[in-house]
Amino acid sequence: KQEVTQIPAALSVPEGENLVLNCSFTDSAIYNLQWFRQDPGKGLTSLLLIQSSQREQTSGRLNASLDKSSGRSTLYIAASQPGDSATYLCAAQVTGGGNKLTFGTGTQLKVEL
Amino acid sequence: GAVVSQHPSWVICKSGTSVKIECRSLDFQATTIFWYRQFPKQSLMLMATSNEGSKATYEQGVEKDKFLINHASLTLSTLTVTSAHPEDSSFYICSALPGQYTGELFFGEGSRLTVL
Repeated sequence: KQEVTQIPAALSVPEGENLVLNCSFTDSAIYNLQWFRQDPGKGLTSLLLIQSSQREQTSGRLNASLDKSSGRSTLYIAASQPGDSATYLCAAQVTGGGNKLTFGTGTQLKVEL
Repeated sequence: GAVVSQHPSWVICKSGTSVKIECRSLDFQATTIFWYRQFPKQSLMLMATSNEGSKATYEQGVEKDKFLINHASLTLSTLTVTSAHPEDSSFYICSALPGQYTGELFFGEGSRLTVL
């Protein structure tokens, strides 16, 4: 059974700082890995999707990497802004798993002025 | 991108009543819809997988008679929480899988249920 863990659970940084969020998964037979953002009381916003054959994806100030062999993915946020404050979730889709996503525990990010 | 709409966004009900939540794919046909539940400060937990025209597949520990799922069309799935109790209070989110699957799932905005 796939298990997804995110470290740290919470993170507070000053504005402008670069930061890395970590995601680890136990089953390396993944179809893809996705990163989402969730604002309080809201649904999910898809940030980046990395296919199993890819090593990284970039969108603006966000860069996500994937290392299947080690069961890890990272989300790099450059020049953080207060508007980046949210909970970030990673989710792994297992090959042959019926397209189900297994979500990580989330990292609650606060970017302070 | 594809749009998935959930209704209602929030609902408050008395204990013992039933509540229906709708999940609609607005601009694509969803062959599969996943229903998730999220308790405060926790991650999303998959409740069930719903394929159009078939019975839903429930995850271990989820009562199928309590959480009724209907997926009668390619654009609509409903989740009915029957005889709701305070412990069912949660954030319910659906996710739709397009017929032409590209690897990306599309999520609804979520429905917050509060049972008094």
